Amino acid sequence: GDSVTQMEGPVTLSEEAFLTINCTYTATGYPSLFWYVQYPGEGLQLLLKATKADDKGSNKGFEATYRKETTSFHLEKGSVQVSDSAVYFCALSDGNSGYSTLTFGKGTMLLVSP
Amino acid sequence: NAGVTQTPKFQVLKTGQSMTLQCAQDMNHNSMYWYRQDPGMGLRLIYYSASEGTTDKGEVPNGYNVSRLNKREFSLRLESAAPSQTSVYFCASSEWSGKGFFGPGTRLTVL
Repeated sequence: GDSVTQMEGPVTLSEEAFLTINCTYTATGYPSLFWYVQYPGEGLQLLLKATKADDKGSNKGFEATYRKETTSFHLEKGSVQVSDSAVYFCALSDGNSGYSTLTFGKGTMLLVSP
Repeated sequence: NAGVTQTPKFQVLKTGQSMTLQCAQDMNHNSMYWYRQDPGMGLRLIYYSASEGTTDKGEVPNGYNVSRLNKREFSLRLESAAPSQTSVYFCASSEWSGKGFFGPGTRLTVL
């Protein structure tokens, strides 16, 4: 079945540092890929998405590129802020059966200090 | 639009008690889902409903039942709660593209 593997956290950075959170996936079809963010005490919010190979999703300074050859979708940000502290989830959706179910990684906690 | 709403936000049960978690969405999505979130486990799919009138098991369905009441509403029932069901429960709905919209969650503690 489908699966998503992402780096374990917590990732601890100083403000303005460069961020990379690795994500790789296994899927039988051609999935769409997502990054979701969860702030403390809240539900998940979609951060960005990519629907086909070589697509780059971007939002709020975060970027991720759909790499079919390496089955990866790494999240990057050039300069993190304290307000970026949250848990980040990589997810895929196969959508090949007339509906979509999201398969999530275990999440990576990001802690940014001033 | 309210998006996805869930009730209650918090609940404490004793082992063996039953309860129903309610979920509703106003985005006219066909697909709805129930996930549970546990520390270090990410989100695991309990049940999903691809469309009104259908429900299917996800990764961890044991101990739960669901009802897709209509296109808007999808409820999750615990018939006899167990401490292992202590978790945060999220309802979600999705567009065809797979883009998911999540509710704020229900924090359930089973003593």
